[in-house]
Amino acid sequence: DIQLTQSPSFLSASVGDRVTVTCRPSRGVHNYLAWYQQKSGKAPKLLVYAASTLQSGVPPRFSGSGSGTEFTLTISSLQPEDFATYYCQQLNNYPLTFGGGTKVEIK
Amino acid sequence: EVQLVESGGGLVQPGGSLRLSCAASGFSISDHYMDWVRQAPGKGLEWVARSRNKPNNYATEYAASVEGRFTISRDELKNSLFLQMNSLKTEDTAVYYCTRRRAGDWTFDFWGQGTLVTVSS
Repeated sequence: DIQLTQSPSFLSASVGDRVTVTCRPSRGVHNYLAWYQQKSGKAPKLLVYAASTLQSGVPPRFSGSGSGTEFTLTISSLQPEDFATYYCQQLNNYPLTFGGGTKVEIK
Repeated sequence: EVQLVESGGGLVQPGGSLRLSCAASGFSISDHYMDWVRQAPGKGLEWVARSRNKPNNYATEYAASVEGRFTISRDELKNSLFLQMNSLKTEDTAVYYCTRRRAGDWTFDFWGQGTLVTVSS
């Protein structure tokens, strides 16, 4: 199975901060990587797919990059509605796997 | 508008069975791969099972943790997805989400609101 290591698992940031979350697969997944945002008590929401393509309707302050075994999700200027948990997911091999999550909280 | 609505969750004893349903609207499930994903209380996301679309003969795939106990199926006429869960264990306690896979990039572009399954004596 491909393990996805997300870092950090928790971060505290202020509105307006630039935030970066990293996802490292245990082996290459080409660009078959997606990022999801999950708010408390809600279903996950797709943010980025194919490593760097923004899902329709997602604000442009979100961006994804990387390939192979290192990927990043960046929020250029953190907004109050962005406080949530973020998960990466690889879709290159079964079983599909998710990272452990990064919880972004208000400083 | 695409919608996925799960139902069928509840409290069940270890060793028991439960059948989850997911009613889809706004699209035809025959065109899409469909999956179940679960989330144990306070934990991360875990992929559970996949059903391919009609052109791919509805082939299924399961996580090792549920292989042989869970069965994913669909009813095209009702435009619904199901998850039959047998021999339930306490570690199966989770919110179960029904998801739609988008053709091409295979990402999970729509999720239901989830249904809670609690396995406890």
